[in-house]
Amino acid sequence: SQQGEEDPQALSIQEGENATMNCSYKTSINNLQWYRQNSGRGLVHLILIRSNEREKHSGRLRVTLDTSKKSSSLLITASRAADTASYFCAQSPGGGSNYKLTFGKGTLLTVNP
Amino acid sequence: EAQVTQNPRYLITVTGKKLTVTCSQNMNHEYMSWYRQDPGLGLRQIYYSMNVEVTDKGDVPEGYKVSRKEKRNFPLILESPSPNQTSLYFCASSPPGEDGYTFGSGTRLTVV
Repeated sequence: SQQGEEDPQALSIQEGENATMNCSYKTSINNLQWYRQNSGRGLVHLILIRSNEREKHSGRLRVTLDTSKKSSSLLITASRAADTASYFCAQSPGGGSNYKLTFGKGTLLTVNP
Repeated sequence: EAQVTQNPRYLITVTGKKLTVTCSQNMNHEYMSWYRQDPGLGLRQIYYSMNVEVTDKGDVPEGYKVSRKEKRNFPLILESPSPNQTSLYFCASSPPGEDGYTFGSGTRLTVV
């Protein structure tokens, strides 16, 4: 399987704290994407980082990418109860084939009020 | 509103009874995909399509068929469903190039 792996599998924090989730992958990538899924609902695209980028920001989200270690991290700052969800990383393989997106198993984030 | 629409949202069926899950997108996207989500296994790609009449197998295509006769529609067909196809299914679409996917709300299928 070419699935990536998120770490930790589950994370519980207090409102206002920062949450960091990590993702490791196995093959070369074109880009790496992060998605959020509220319980049983469809996934929502959060942010995309290209293989030649090292860091990207979007609001309270910060994503880093280390292609030498084949890993990425997602940081959510000043978390809110509404951030409670599962977070998935997804890899678009090298060659620009964004149609072959491979997802990891996700990190379940719980933000306690 | 830009969206991917799947139907039905919930379906309970019996082993061997052919079924189709429909997927339609209104964003004129070239790429479309089907995924299944199972506890502990994450999302796994079943089939994908790069454009009309162009489809290919994902990681878990066995027991499924797809077609892409029009750009907006990408139905998933289970010719003879079995209990191991009980799962949560998602359709998704994306423009070509580097962009995120838009997901449908999911179809929860139970095969008894």
